[in-house]
Amino acid sequence: DIQMTQSPSSLSASVGDRVTITCQATQDINNYLNWYQHKPGKAPKLLIHDASDLETGVPSRFSGSGSGTDFTFTISSLQPEDFATYFCQQYDSLPYTFGQGTKLEI
Amino acid sequence: QVQLQESGPGLVKPSESLSLTCTVSGGSVSSGRYFWSWIRQPPGKRLEWIGCIFYSGSTHYNPSLQSRVTMSVDTSKNQFSLKLTSVTAADTAVYYCAREPEYWGQGKLVTVSS
Repeated sequence: DIQMTQSPSSLSASVGDRVTITCQATQDINNYLNWYQHKPGKAPKLLIHDASDLETGVPSRFSGSGSGTDFTFTISSLQPEDFATYFCQQYDSLPYTFGQGTKLEI
Repeated sequence: QVQLQESGPGLVKPSESLSLTCTVSGGSVSSGRYFWSWIRQPPGKRLEWIGCIFYSGSTHYNPSLQSRVTMSVDTSKNQFSLKLTSVTAADTAVYYCAREPEYWGQGKLVTVSS
């Protein structure tokens, strides 16, 4: 299985901050990487697919980059509604696998 | 807008089987364009992909669970289901159904305990 190492596991930030989360795969995943936002009791929300493509309707302050095995997710200016858990998922090879998640706290 | 809702028992005894159903609205499980997945998250751990099923009944399971997992689809009810046999406390988790990657259910907590 492809292992996904996501960091940091938690992050404290303030409204207006720029935050970055990384995800590293144990092998090349051909940019088949999703980033999700997850709030307690809610369905996870897809933000970015194919490593850098913003899902329709998602604010442009969210972005993704990277290739091969190393990927980055950035929120350019944190808004109050952005405090949540974020996780990556590779879908290059079955079984699909996830990063351990990053809890973004105020 | 596609919506998914998990249903089933929230408490299962060790060694018994866990059965969950996902009801789909706003879309059809018969669509050949998509596959329908189950994913779980044990407390304090990362998400784990359990497997997926196509409307035809074709499946892909995570090898770590393959011997205990069965998925099925009921096109007449627009539902798909998960059965996990011989459960232990390690199977305690929030279980999600999804039409990956865009649509997920809110999750169903299933606790394995006597």
